[in-house]
Amino acid sequence: DQQVKQNSPSLSVQEGRISILNCDYTNSMFDYFLWYKKYPAEGPTFLISISSIKDKNEDGRFTVFLNKSAKHLSLHIVPSQPGDSAVYFCSGSSNTGKLIFGQGTTLQVKP
Amino acid sequence: DAGVTQSPTHLIKTRGQHVTLRCSPISGHKSVSWYQQVLGQGPQFIFQYYEKEERGRGNFPDRFSARQFPNYSSELNVNALLLGDSALYLCASSNLPGLSGGYTFGSGTRLTVV
Repeated sequence: DQQVKQNSPSLSVQEGRISILNCDYTNSMFDYFLWYKKYPAEGPTFLISISSIKDKNEDGRFTVFLNKSAKHLSLHIVPSQPGDSAVYFCSGSSNTGKLIFGQGTTLQVKP
Repeated sequence: DAGVTQSPTHLIKTRGQHVTLRCSPISGHKSVSWYQQVLGQGPQFIFQYYEKEERGRGNFPDRFSARQFPNYSSELNVNALLLGDSALYLCASSNLPGLSGGYTFGSGTRLTVV
């Protein structure tokens, strides 16, 4: 049972344009959703989170949107930069603190 | 400030052997979690420890065990290794076992079972 799904394995965008990474979930008990970025040979790095009671959270170039009725969230990166090229993981967290991750989306930002 | 440190960084073991992976959390962090990341997939939760007690266990066989020491460092042990145990093992630390601010991950231990 895959509780968090990232259906796009990869995404390629031009530098300066918007990157939109999508994530769907099935577990209604998640109270937070977190996005992590991972470079090769490094551990995942926390990027941004959103509470399940919010519908938007913004931090600089990164904005996460949550649509609870659709059980869908998205990460927007504007403007995209070549250094943003990495694997992005969506995850859900319940009050136990356990993170359930999606499969990841590889973002390539072309100069 | 040192981040989450894991050792060793790479390891090659033979099927049937035993392995011990180590993790030192960020200073002041009392919660440590272990995740397994198989190539092409997201990390999967194995264990969580807080204040030296197990707070959660994922869907992994009893061959997997862990513990947390008084200094909050942690070990993950895997017995009777299988080829399918080949993966990146990630350790993550935080102040509390459940929070919105995310966990800080180490760079992982790449385990190859041959």
